[in-house]
Amino acid sequence: ETGVTQSPTHLIKTRGQQVTLRCSSQSGHNTVSWYQQALGQGPQFIFQYYREEENGRGNFPPRFSGLQFPNYSSELNVNALELDDSALYLCASSHGTGGYEQYFGPGTRLTVT
Amino acid sequence: EDQVTQSPEALRLQEGESSSLNCSYTVSGLRGLFWYRQDPGKGPEFLFTLYSAGEEKEKERLKATLTKKESFLHITAPKPEDSATYLCAVGSGGYQKVTFGIGTKLQVIP
Repeated sequence: ETGVTQSPTHLIKTRGQQVTLRCSSQSGHNTVSWYQQALGQGPQFIFQYYREEENGRGNFPPRFSGLQFPNYSSELNVNALELDDSALYLCASSHGTGGYEQYFGPGTRLTVT
Repeated sequence: EDQVTQSPEALRLQEGESSSLNCSYTVSGLRGLFWYRQDPGKGPEFLFTLYSAGEEKEKERLKATLTKKESFLHITAPKPEDSATYLCAVGSGGYQKVTFGIGTKLQVIP
């Protein structure tokens, strides 16, 4: 069974640029959630995708957007990067909307300078 | 709005010294309470899900319990490899909305 994978591992961007982060869900999982984790904080829910549709969103501005593909992999796009966007971005997958046990990938460390 | 409060923020134990971590929560319609372990720079590792008050689950030296307002993660005779941040989270709503606490950073000294 393949676990959740994310790419890239680390990324450095300049304020104002755009970034795309990628996630492959665990085998058999059709739901992907994205989280932002600032240093010393718990993960904050960004949004969730189920069967290629956004299925819920946290308190993040529209410049945070996403996609889910037919194979259930997903992308997180962030436009007009700000310094406060520097964080660990985590992807989690789960099976269906009724199950809440989410399995996390290793994360992408984004630094905005 | 769902809220999760964890205490203490940091805990230092001697190897073999048992203790408990606390997670207090307020949520409209609990769908599940989750415990995760997170090592520095890595993604959270799933430990337990608890669904209703009175439920208990165990895994090696860890035991999680749930009441209507809080959950405890009991660590019995911890070892240095148990050192990590332990995150508590609650699930609610029609979709898989999960709200995390800030975690308890546990350090076990040999």
